[in-house]
Amino acid sequence: EDQVTQSPEALRLQEGESSSLNCSYTVSGLRGLFWYRQDPGKGPEFLFTLYSAGEEKEKERLKATLTKKESFLHITAPKPEDSATYLCAVQASGGGADGLTFGKGTHLIIQP
Amino acid sequence: GAGVSQSPSNKVTEKGKDVELRCDPISGHTALYWYRQSLGQGLEFLIYFQGNSAPDKSGLPSDRFSAERTGGSVSTLTIQRTQQEDSAVYLCASSLAARNNQPQHFGDGTRLSIL
Repeated sequence: EDQVTQSPEALRLQEGESSSLNCSYTVSGLRGLFWYRQDPGKGPEFLFTLYSAGEEKEKERLKATLTKKESFLHITAPKPEDSATYLCAVQASGGGADGLTFGKGTHLIIQP
Repeated sequence: GAGVSQSPSNKVTEKGKDVELRCDPISGHTALYWYRQSLGQGLEFLIYFQGNSAPDKSGLPSDRFSAERTGGSVSTLTIQRTQQEDSAVYLCASSLAARNNQPQHFGDGTRLSIL
């Protein structure tokens, strides 16, 4: 069974204080690992797709990296508007569901 | 351009009633997905469509849940004889196609409350 575990569950940072969010996964063949951002009352907003170990993607203050067992979302010099819940999901390459398996997310708060 | 549209945004109904939730995907997206997000839980995959067919219904929690898609566009998720444990946010997503790593883009969901 595919599993995704995110840590920490919640993280409070000061504005400008860099940190990393972790996503550990177990999947029967990885087709893709996805990062989303979710604001309260909204649907998840797509950030990145990573396909293979060693791959990195960047967007503004966010950088996602991937190994064979985990992914990190690095946030550099965050601003209050980066406050949100960050979700990690995997899609397996087997013949089963094409749906994503999500972790429970990391609730990130950036204080001014 | 327009994103994934879901209606209603909120639905309150009594236990035992049937409900229909609607999803209008991004134009040109052939794959459509339904998920459920319960309080304190991660998103749970329910079903997906490629065109009008649903190759995988494994995530539907019971036979009270069904979904259809007609014309390769709008989809409806129907819950019959609702129970209190069905209370959740139901999210719809679409992508250009299934099975080719295309990212799924989500609507803002329908918040369903069963009294």
